[in-house]
Amino acid sequence: KQEVTQIPAALSVPEGENLVLNCSFTDSAIYNLQWFRQDPGKGLTSLLLIQSSQREQTSGRLNASLDKSSGRSTLYIAASQPGDSATYLCAVTGNTGKLIFGQGTTLQVKP
Amino acid sequence: ETGVTQSPTHLIKTRGQQVTLRCSSQSGHNTVSWYQQALGQGPQFIFQYYREEENGRGNFPPRFSGLQFPNYSSELNVNALELDDSALYLCASSYRDGGYEQYFGPGTRLTVT
Repeated sequence: KQEVTQIPAALSVPEGENLVLNCSFTDSAIYNLQWFRQDPGKGLTSLLLIQSSQREQTSGRLNASLDKSSGRSTLYIAASQPGDSATYLCAVTGNTGKLIFGQGTTLQVKP
Repeated sequence: ETGVTQSPTHLIKTRGQQVTLRCSSQSGHNTVSWYQQALGQGPQFIFQYYREEENGRGNFPPRFSGLQFPNYSSELNVNALELDDSALYLCASSYRDGGYEQYFGPGTRLTVT
């Protein structure tokens, strides 16, 4: 049974810092991995999608890596800003298209 | 291009009642999935519909049921509501042959009292 774990559960950093969020999964037979952002009480915004054959994806200040063999992904956020404050969720997709989520990392960026 | 929309935004129901939540998929998408997100938790998969047929179900009882319509919009029905059904219900649409990238709606916040 696939399980997804995110560490840390919460993170507080000063503005301008570079930071890394971690995600691990127990079954390497994934179709893809997505990172989402969720603001309080809101839906999910897709940040990056990495297909199983890819190693990383980049979008602006965000870079996500995938190491399927070790069951790990990281989301790197460069030069963090207060507007980056949110919960970040990692999810893996099996061949059925069902997403399995981690518990999320709640990020606070202090001005 | 229209994104995923959900209605209503908020809903308050009494234990034992029934509720219907609605979702309109993003244009061009043929697959819709429903997720339940309890406070402080990651979303949990309820079920998925592909071309109007159920195509996978999570660990939810039969009182959770759904429909997908020919225009790919969808409904989630919950019967005999329980207090633990209070959660944010999220709908996600995707194009099955397009890599399964899922796009989420804003969610419906259901409170059961």
